[in-house]
Amino acid sequence: NAGVTQTPKFQVLKTGQSMTLQCAQDMNHEYMSWYRQDPGMGLRLIHYSVGAGITDQGEVPNGYNVSRSTTEDFPLRLLSAAPSQTSVYFCASSYQRGGNSPLHFGNGTRLTVT
Amino acid sequence: AQSVTQPDIHITVSEGASLELRCNYSYGATPYLFWYVQSPGQGLQLLLKYFSGDTLVQGIKGFEAEFKRSQSSFNLRKPSVHWSDAAEYFCAVATGNQFYFGTGTSLTVIP
Repeated sequence: NAGVTQTPKFQVLKTGQSMTLQCAQDMNHEYMSWYRQDPGMGLRLIHYSVGAGITDQGEVPNGYNVSRSTTEDFPLRLLSAAPSQTSVYFCASSYQRGGNSPLHFGNGTRLTVT
Repeated sequence: AQSVTQPDIHITVSEGASLELRCNYSYGATPYLFWYVQSPGQGLQLLLKYFSGDTLVQGIKGFEAEFKRSQSSFNLRKPSVHWSDAAEYFCAVATGNQFYFGTGTSLTVIP
């Protein structure tokens, strides 16, 4: 099993550009989520999904869109990149919703917005 | 709102010494509790979890954690630290469909 796969690993954008961060898992996990990691702030939840066709906002959703058309994939879209979105982004999945199943993390995407 | 506090931003220990990383959470009921470790440039790896039952839980790499309801704490311990344990450690709480992470504790191990 590959686990949780994120692409790309690194990305540089100019302010105002859009892009999609890809996330795929091959563990048939019900729950998927996106976090951003910033120095001194830990991981903050952006969006999450409890199944195909179901998404919800986390703590810091502004400027990001998600969709979940399949169980395996959960892309994160930056609509108009801003320097404040410079961060490391992690996708994570778990077997079931509700928090009683641990998260499995991808290796992250380091995004720089200039 | 739920929150997780890791009061120690950075800890330095000598190799072979014992380790305790502190974690306090704010939540009305007993939450699901986790400790994760992150090596540089990597994602987070699960060390251990607490859902219910025995309040002392064992994890991978020789780590353990103790849940203390009265103190709202879930501290991580290791009796003898190895140089390879140098990393960032995150405590997390799960309630409903959301996970909340602390700000992390960076561990340096001195040979």
